[in-house]
Amino acid sequence: EAGVAQSPRYKIIEKRQSVAFWCNPISGHATLYWYQQILGQGPKLLIQFQNNGVVDDSQLPKDRFSAERLKGVDSTLKIQPAKLEDSAVYLCASSLGSHQRNEQFFGPGTRLTVL
Amino acid sequence: QKEVEQNSGPLSVPEGAIASLNCTYSDRGSQSFFWYRQYSGKSPELIMSIYSNGDKEDGRFTAQLNKASQYVSLLIRDSQPSDSATYLCAVQGGFKTIFGAGTRLFVKA
Repeated sequence: EAGVAQSPRYKIIEKRQSVAFWCNPISGHATLYWYQQILGQGPKLLIQFQNNGVVDDSQLPKDRFSAERLKGVDSTLKIQPAKLEDSAVYLCASSLGSHQRNEQFFGPGTRLTVL
Repeated sequence: QKEVEQNSGPLSVPEGAIASLNCTYSDRGSQSFFWYRQYSGKSPELIMSIYSNGDKEDGRFTAQLNKASQYVSLLIRDSQPSDSATYLCAVQGGFKTIFGAGTRLFVKA
């Protein structure tokens, strides 16, 4: 069974530029998550989708971050314009559902450096 | 504000010893608890899940849950240098999962 796929793996941009990340979840997984992980911290949820609907985006900085999951499968996360503090690893995860006993499986992540 | 607390470490144990990692959480309604292992530069990997009070064993790993004390722990028996990593505790209540900041474990050969 293929795991969660993400691209690109690394990205370096200058502040005020835009960037987009792509994620393809495990086949059959209804729930998709985007996390931001800053060095030395745990993953912080940015947005959670159930199929193609948003379950939780309370911590997404909506003035600069956007995400979509068209057709309920793969997803893109965009940052526009980027700030220095957006330098982090962006992790995508998926799970079968979003109710109890919700084991999440992570992709390899995208390491973003904003200069 | 729902929180998950872990000692950041580093926790250093000799090879062959038992490593004990602890996690406390604030939301009494939490129902599902997970331990993830994260090697440096890699993404988190699920190693254990536990849903009921008591112990759950899987190979060298034992997860322990005490909902009354809002406490979950992970024991690693016969620790190996390859166990050196950051261990993340994750707690789910409803549809929300919150991750702790992780405990760094070093196993000395």
